[in-house]
Amino acid sequence: AQSVTQPDIHITVSEGASLELRCNYSYGATPYLFWYVQSPGQGLQLLLKYFSGDTLVQGIKGFEAEFKRSQSSFNLRKPSVHWSDAAEYFCAISGGYQKVTFGTGTKLQVIP
Amino acid sequence: DGGITQSPKYLFRKEGQNVTLSCEQNLNHDAMYWYRQDPGQGLRLIYYSQIVNDFQKGDIAEGYSVSREKKESFPLTVTSAQKNPTAFYLCASSIDGVAGVINEQFFGPGTRLTVL
Repeated sequence: AQSVTQPDIHITVSEGASLELRCNYSYGATPYLFWYVQSPGQGLQLLLKYFSGDTLVQGIKGFEAEFKRSQSSFNLRKPSVHWSDAAEYFCAISGGYQKVTFGTGTKLQVIP
Repeated sequence: DGGITQSPKYLFRKEGQNVTLSCEQNLNHDAMYWYRQDPGQGLRLIYYSQIVNDFQKGDIAEGYSVSREKKESFPLTVTSAQKNPTAFYLCASSIDGVAGVINEQFFGPGTRLTVL
């Protein structure tokens, strides 16, 4: 069985500060890994994905994520947060078939 | 513009009624999905379809039904058997079909269903 854990339910950062959102997964091999963002009342948008190759992945809106096999982690980072980054962020994994498992999400609040 | 549309945006249902949520995509994607989102629980898979005229149950299919008669359309019916249907429902699609290769999912804007 595959599972995803996002240990932080809610995170608050100051505008301009750096951000790291944690994601840990459980799967028997290397999964496909995704980060999505959701604005209130909206659908999800893909930020970035990892399938293979370079373990540091660049995404849209200045986000990046690093796959660490030894830690079963795929943490999302941004060097300088903007007020428009306030949203809910979801980590997701797939074993290569049609089922994708999503984490429970981390809500990001950005304060001026 | 290619994308996924869901209608209606808000839906109110009386107890005992069936309601159907619409999902249409013009991305020419083979696979389509329905998720339910509740606060603090992330997204849970209700049904998915890899190809026209075929669909599979997800993790929480009880009380729901779907059809996939056209590639573009994947409507979800919330039946009276669903005991707690109030939630935010998201439809998604991906280019993959029976080949089983996972690519990103594209999401619609969602339908918020409230049972009165």
